[in-house]
Amino acid sequence: AQSVAQPEDQVNVAEGNPLTVKCTYSVSGNPYLFWYVQYPNRGLQFLLKYITGDNLVKGSYGFEAEFNKSQTSFHLKKPSALVSDSALYFCAVRDMSNQGGKLIFGQGTELSVKP
Amino acid sequence: DGGITQSPKYLFRKEGQNVTLSCEQNLNHDAMYWYRQDPGQGLRLIYYSQIVNDFQKGDIAEGYSVSREKKESFPLTVTSAQKNPTAFYLCASSIGQGSTDTQYFGPGTRLTVL
Repeated sequence: AQSVAQPEDQVNVAEGNPLTVKCTYSVSGNPYLFWYVQYPNRGLQFLLKYITGDNLVKGSYGFEAEFNKSQTSFHLKKPSALVSDSALYFCAVRDMSNQGGKLIFGQGTELSVKP
Repeated sequence: DGGITQSPKYLFRKEGQNVTLSCEQNLNHDAMYWYRQDPGQGLRLIYYSQIVNDFQKGDIAEGYSVSREKKESFPLTVTSAQKNPTAFYLCASSIGQGSTDTQYFGPGTRLTVL
């Protein structure tokens, strides 16, 4: 079965420092991976996706993610965190085996950036 | 959130009542989805629709119903059979159901059972 894990419920970072939000996956076949961000009481905003090709994917708001096949990971990164980056982050994998290619989500990681 | 609207933003329901959540998109997307979000959990798929007049159950369809009479609209009804309906409900759409197609989300409806 396809699955996604976000091992950290919360990540705390000082403003200006680099940030990493971790994600590992388990899929049969090719992985199609996504990152979304959610601000309080809002819907999810798409940040970036990995389909194939370059292992470093660049996305919105200065975020990037590194795909590592051997470690089955897709960690989200940003070189310099902003207070406004504080939000809930979700990693997801596309399940192409059934249910219309549904997204399977991790449980989310709360990112807190302090000034 | 652009292109997908959900209403109302907040909804209160008494026990035993059915309520309908609205989802509309102007992105000309074929596929639409309903997810449920509970605190500390990821999103779980309730129903999805690949095309007008067709829809399929997701992982947690019991107590919910949907319709897809128009391409732009995919309303979700939470019936009295849903035992624990208090949650945040998110609608999404994508151009299709290909592996590379991105799902875009609406702003959500927070449903509370009184």
